[in-house]
Amino acid sequence: QVTLKESGPALVKPTETLTLTCTFSGFSLSTSPTRVSWIRQPPGKALEWLARIDWDDDEFYSTSLKTRLTISKDTSKNLVVLTMTNMDPMDTATYYCARANDDSDDAFDVWGPGTMVTVSS
Amino acid sequence: ERVMTQSPATLSVSPGDRATLSCRASQSVSSNLAWYQQKPGQAPRLLIYAASTRAPGIPDRFSGSGSGTEFTLTISSLQSEDFAVYFCQQYNDWPPYTFGQGTKLEI
Repeated sequence: QVTLKESGPALVKPTETLTLTCTFSGFSLSTSPTRVSWIRQPPGKALEWLARIDWDDDEFYSTSLKTRLTISKDTSKNLVVLTMTNMDPMDTATYYCARANDDSDDAFDVWGPGTMVTVSS
Repeated sequence: ERVMTQSPATLSVSPGDRATLSCRASQSVSSNLAWYQQKPGQAPRLLIYAASTRAPGIPDRFSGSGSGTEFTLTISSLQSEDFAVYFCQQYNDWPPYTFGQGTKLEI
């Protein structure tokens, strides 16, 4: 069974750096062609894709947030980490990690439950 | 960046009705389109990928169609558990992957 779960702080202050961890099971991120993305959703709003890391370490970022984001993986621990610098109240959202592979034609076939992050002083 | 526009924003229907949700892309995304269902407090769930292929375990009352810039998600006979928000997403031209703003299906 494939599962993903996000973890991280529920509250961060403006200008701080957010670090989120996605811990997964049931698949390997060292196996082609698996990839994991981070996606966020402000309360009551639409989904926004943030970043993706592939089985071969390729990294891709949202063009509007690229300067603030870093994605990395630890294949031995089955986890993916996203850092976002210079947090702002506009970054308040539920953050999801999700898997994609060629079986789902690059759609996100399994999602974590999400973790809510509030940015406030 | 491909902009995805969904209509209507809210669709009021009754159980047993047929629901038709639309998604339009600002430029062609071929058939590289997915539909997701999201219930309150839950993560999105993949329903349809490649515009018309149901994801594993998705009931056959859900169907997708379209290509290029115009797409449709049809729910043939609404069940109570289908009342949710539905998002379309393109994965043809990325980064970034882009989502529509959602259609809320309400009773």
